[in-house]
Amino acid sequence: DQQVKQNSPSLSVQEGRISILNCDYTNSMFDYFLWYKKYPAEGPTFLISISSIKDKNEDGRFTVFLNKSAKHLSLHIVPSQPGDSAVYFCAAQAGGTSYGKLTFGQGTILTVHP
Amino acid sequence: DTEVTQTPKHLVMGMTNKKSLKCEQHMGHRAMYWYKQKAKKPPELMFVYSYEKLSINESVPSRFSPECPNSSLLNLHLHALQPEDSALYLCASSQALLHDRARNQPQHFGDGTRLSIL
Repeated sequence: DQQVKQNSPSLSVQEGRISILNCDYTNSMFDYFLWYKKYPAEGPTFLISISSIKDKNEDGRFTVFLNKSAKHLSLHIVPSQPGDSAVYFCAAQAGGTSYGKLTFGQGTILTVHP
Repeated sequence: DTEVTQTPKHLVMGMTNKKSLKCEQHMGHRAMYWYKQKAKKPPELMFVYSYEKLSINESVPSRFSPECPNSSLLNLHLHALQPEDSALYLCASSQALLHDRARNQPQHFGDGTRLSIL
């Protein structure tokens, strides 16, 4: 049972344009959401997170939006740069006894063309 | 540069060998994690340590034995592994686990150990 889903395996964007990566979840107990970027031969790098008490969080070129009623979150990258080309994972965490347990989506490969 | 250091970067071992993976962080984090990642799949949680005590074991086979000797170090002892255990093993750390929703903190990952079982 896949509780966190990234339905787009890949996304191709022109440099300077907006990249929008999407993520859906099914577990209503999730209350903290994160985005990670992963280059080949490296571990995931934390990008940005959002708590369920918010619907938007911004950090430089990265903005995460959370729609709790739709159980959907998205990552916007503006403007996109070739160095952003990587695999992007969304992840979710529940509270209580599951605190600290991250559940990851399958990942989306982003390619930004010069 | 990652602030979570994992050694070795690559490990090849036979099914009868005993080896250990090591992870170190100096960010003052009191929660540490082991994940397993197969090719083209997301990371899957194996173990969580909080204040040097095991708090989550995701039903991992006993041939994987974690150890947290102090707040900066996390080991994963391997014995009698199977070929299907070949994967990238990732270590992560975060601020202390607190049962307070306002204190959500991200996990920071090392670059992993690529393990191959012959």
